Amino acid sequence: AAGVIQSPRHLIKEKRETATLKCYPIPRHDTVYWYQQGPGQDPQFLISFYEKMQSDKGSIPDRFSAQQFSDYHSELNMSSLELGDSALYFCASSLLNNEQFFGPGTRLTVL
Amino acid sequence: AQKVTQAQTEISVVEKEDVTLDCVYETRDTTYYLFWYKQPPSGELVFLIRRNSFDEQNEISGRYSWNFQKSTSSFNFTITASQVVDSAVYFCARLYSGGGADGLTFGKGTHLIIQP
Repeated sequence: AAGVIQSPRHLIKEKRETATLKCYPIPRHDTVYWYQQGPGQDPQFLISFYEKMQSDKGSIPDRFSAQQFSDYHSELNMSSLELGDSALYFCASSLLNNEQFFGPGTRLTVL
Repeated sequence: AQKVTQAQTEISVVEKEDVTLDCVYETRDTTYYLFWYKQPPSGELVFLIRRNSFDEQNEISGRYSWNFQKSTSSFNFTITASQVVDSAVYFCARLYSGGGADGLTFGKGTHLIIQP
């Protein structure tokens, strides 16, 4: 069965640089979510989209933005990167209010 | 914020033992969903189970079983005859069914170590 695809899998950036993470949801899923997981932490919800419209917002910094495109893929844009942004970033997809299936994650390292 | 509490930070057992992971949640809602996810050392998050607040029936799937009790706001997870491959961090999570695409609220996770 098709799973959630995330790219890139690993990313190394310098402080103050920008990064773009991509997510391709499971076909026919209408909802995409972004989560951030710091080392040894639980995943923290950032933002979600339902049918290409922003639906819910969690603890997403103002330096981050996201959108969902017409083909349902989503991108998380991160600017003015800080050391504390180093984390595993997960994308998940679902049918609305059903179980969320997570991608393999993008490991972002900010130097 | 309505929390999910996993009081056990780390559990270590010997293979073939049974082990129960505790999860207690806060909620002011009548409609909500509870989940368990497994995160093995490789890092991915694997969906295990979803329960809605109106269904208190316990569930068994192979060596895994879940006990949902609204009276104590608990949703505990038991692994019977544990195996080394069960070693992982297990997260309990809740979802408020507010009509939008709400994000999951996770507990801090329980690191389960199964020793051979």
